[in-house]
Amino acid sequence: AQKVTQAQTEISVVEKEDVTLDCVYETRDTTYYLFWYKQPPSGELVFLIRRNSFDEQNEISGRYSWNFQKSTSSFNFTITASQVVVSAVYFCALTPGTGFQKLVFGTGTRLLVSP
Amino acid sequence: DTGVSQDPRHKITKRGQNVTFRCDPISEHNRLYWYRQTLGQGPEFLTYFQNEAQLEKSRLLSDRFSAERPKGSFSTLEIQRTEQGDSAMYLCASSLGTAPLREQYFGPGTRLTVT
Repeated sequence: AQKVTQAQTEISVVEKEDVTLDCVYETRDTTYYLFWYKQPPSGELVFLIRRNSFDEQNEISGRYSWNFQKSTSSFNFTITASQVVVSAVYFCALTPGTGFQKLVFGTGTRLLVSP
Repeated sequence: DTGVSQDPRHKITKRGQNVTFRCDPISEHNRLYWYRQTLGQGPEFLTYFQNEAQLEKSRLLSDRFSAERPKGSFSTLEIQRTEQGDSAMYLCASSLGTAPLREQYFGPGTRLTVT
């Protein structure tokens, strides 16, 4: 069975602080994909990144960066110099690399960035 | 805009009534998924279509739930004899059925309230 754990229910930071959202996953599959989605107050899930299990290279996109470590089964997400506009609920998700793509989501981390 | 659309956005119904939701995926996407999200939780998988074929159903999908995707385009999710426990956000997503596995794009959801 697959499982995603986001232990941080809610994080509050002040604008311009760096913040890391943790994601730990469990799977028996050798091939799998990890995702991060953002859910702003409007409710629509917005895709942020996809990473496959064979690619442990970290990725940076603007103020966003992702750290994938198979040894610790983690796929953490860091926002540098956070801004109020990034306040949202962030979900980490996992799916097997073969067969149909059933996403297994964590419970989400609510990020509140205050001015 | 050619994103995933869902209709209605909100539905309030009385216990025991039937409701039907519609999802229009991104036009070139052959895979369509339904998820359910309750307050404070991540989305949970309900069912999956590849073109018009329903290939997977979650145990969450009781006999009162039925989904269709005629002609492999839009999809409908019907809930018969609604119960208060059915109150949730119902999310539709679509993706390309290509390799490597592609991300799912989500619609804005239909929020169901059963009174």
